[in-house]
Amino acid sequence: KAGVTQTPRYLIKTRGQQVTLSCSPISGHRSVSWYQQTPGQGLQFLFEYFSETQRNKGNFPGRFSGRQFSNSRSEMNVSTLELGDSALYLCASGLAGGRVGFNEQFFGPGTRLTVL
Amino acid sequence: ELKVEQNPLFLSMQEGKNYTIYCNYSTTSDRLYWYRQDPGKSLESLFVLLSNGAVKQEGRLMASLDTKARLSTLHITAAVHDLSATYFCAVGDRGTSYDKVIFGPGTSLSVIP
Repeated sequence: KAGVTQTPRYLIKTRGQQVTLSCSPISGHRSVSWYQQTPGQGLQFLFEYFSETQRNKGNFPGRFSGRQFSNSRSEMNVSTLELGDSALYLCASGLAGGRVGFNEQFFGPGTRLTVL
Repeated sequence: ELKVEQNPLFLSMQEGKNYTIYCNYSTTSDRLYWYRQDPGKSLESLFVLLSNGAVKQEGRLMASLDTKARLSTLHITAAVHDLSATYFCAVGDRGTSYDKVIFGPGTSLSVIP
């Protein structure tokens, strides 16, 4: 069974640009969560989607948004990039029919975003 | 608001020794997860603890959960160099029906030969 895939793996952008990251969950998983990981703030919850609906959102500004498609693939978008947005962005998928927090999460390899 | 703490944050230990990493959380939950992260890599799931008193073991690692004390422990037995990594605990937020998972700051473990 293929694992969680994320594209692109590495990205370099400049301040003010916008970026879209993609996550394909494990087949059959309907829940996708996004996290931001930085050395200073650690792993922070961004949002979680289940069946195309955002169920929860973390404490991030509105520049961070996401969506989930009918095939459970998810994208997150960051507009008007700031230097502080440089981070590893991880997505995780959860077991079909379950809730992310109820069952195990499986993490993708991450997208390393660098903002210059 | 659910907060998750870990201690120690940094741990340097000799091979063959035992040690315990502690994970405390601030609000009621019975969904506790342990992950391992190697430098530059993603997170690998180690244990899923879903009830009070749950204990799971894999190799030299054993995790337990005490929901009354809001405490989980990750015990390392006879450490080997391959266990060097950062270990995160994460807690399901009961206030969101566990849809939201909050991570601790991580414990950076270095096992010295």
